[in-house]
Amino acid sequence: NAGVMQNPRHLVRRRGQEARLRCSPMKGHSHVYWYRQLPEEGLKFMVYLQKENIIDESGMPKERFSAEFPKEGPSILRIQQVVRGDSAAYFCASSPGGSDNSPLHFGNGTRLTVT
Amino acid sequence: DQQVKQNSPSLSVQEGRISILNCDYTNSMFDYFLWYKKYPAEGPTFLISISSIKDKNEDGRFTVFLNKSAKHLSLHIVPSQPGDSAVYFCAATLTGANNLFFGTGTRLTVIP
Repeated sequence: NAGVMQNPRHLVRRRGQEARLRCSPMKGHSHVYWYRQLPEEGLKFMVYLQKENIIDESGMPKERFSAEFPKEGPSILRIQQVVRGDSAAYFCASSPGGSDNSPLHFGNGTRLTVT
Repeated sequence: DQQVKQNSPSLSVQEGRISILNCDYTNSMFDYFLWYKKYPAEGPTFLISISSIKDKNEDGRFTVFLNKSAKHLSLHIVPSQPGDSAVYFCAATLTGANNLFFGTGTRLTVIP
């Protein structure tokens, strides 16, 4: 499967714990995006990364959330000290870059439940 | 601030008939628009797009129409098939921007 791979598919955390969500982009894609979908809402942009660089994090909450895309390995979205309001579906997308309007390819998401 | 709006949360259509999904946007700077289709427990899948220099783009059974003066676009599916049943998201962006602005989605049900 050469698509965008996200794991885990489902993640349950208690309030105060940390959540780590992983994303491997499509082969040949060097641009990664994270989106969040709250219940009954559309997808909201969080952060855009290229290898070892955060390009745009204008959609990220200022506290507790961080993202990285290291030279080797998947992109990681990290949520510290989770709260119930963090419960959502988190989608990763990738693109090859180089073309401003190349459509994003999405993974199947990680559904985070905070109890 | 919802810059892309899909005011119909759901739509039911008989198989073989036309499905029309609507989308409105508020930011006149948007110049590229996309439709994504989403099945339950899966990620959105790109369907069709249109640049603001066009007013229509067609791909098989799917046609997207853009009315820039009204800041409105629509997706037409004809003929509709049961496999088209999914949630459809409209998205908009500015060329060179880093993110897509999504609507809240319309759940399409095609009745056999």
